[in-house]
Amino acid sequence: DAKTTQPNSMESNEEEPVHLPCNHSTISGTDYIHWYRQLPSQGPEYVIHGLTSNVNNRMASLAIAEDRKSSTLILHRATLRDAAVYYCILSDGGSNYKLTFGKGTLLTVNP
Amino acid sequence: GAGVSQTPSNKVTEKGKYVELRCDPISGHTALYWYRQSLGQGPEFLIYFQGTGAADDSGLPNDRFFAVRPEGSVSTLKIQRTERGDSAVYLCASSPNLGSNYGYTFGSGTRLTVV
Repeated sequence: DAKTTQPNSMESNEEEPVHLPCNHSTISGTDYIHWYRQLPSQGPEYVIHGLTSNVNNRMASLAIAEDRKSSTLILHRATLRDAAVYYCILSDGGSNYKLTFGKGTLLTVNP
Repeated sequence: GAGVSQTPSNKVTEKGKYVELRCDPISGHTALYWYRQSLGQGPEFLIYFQGTGAADDSGLPNDRFFAVRPEGSVSTLKIQRTERGDSAVYLCASSPNLGSNYGYTFGSGTRLTVV
């Protein structure tokens, strides 16, 4: 699987937007971009995924660069409950059942 | 229940013993995945099932690890002759069909400690 690069940690304030970056310069044309998050003592939770176009759902928005070498997960208004490790993952369109998690970004939300 | 259920939530065992970890996926989900997460690391893929068959077990570390899903629903991960290095959180996930584009639902995991 192609590799992703994320900052180790980020900090945000409650009720402010958060932009979590992810670089994936070796992405191929069939790779999907997935985001999961993991709260303490829980399993990962699906957030959003996309291929080329920006995506929105009730949890977040995914902005994908035109060249697809980077993407940004946007939380529109951070809450304390959003404090978690956020993983950006690429999956190959051909064998996309196998997600390869990196270390992710630890997001701290300040009250 | 509405989510993926894993039992037990915690398991402490002695080195050399045999353990079984159970996963109840969401009803109707045909695909089931096992991952392992060591402290400070992201989850690592172990094996996945589509229905009853293990379609890819390439992530299993060695032949002490084995998983089954005999009726296409509940799955059991079995570890023989446990070693201290097997200590980790074992996560199970399911999806409506095969493929990450369906979005995986993970359980809370079983924390295995080998002493």
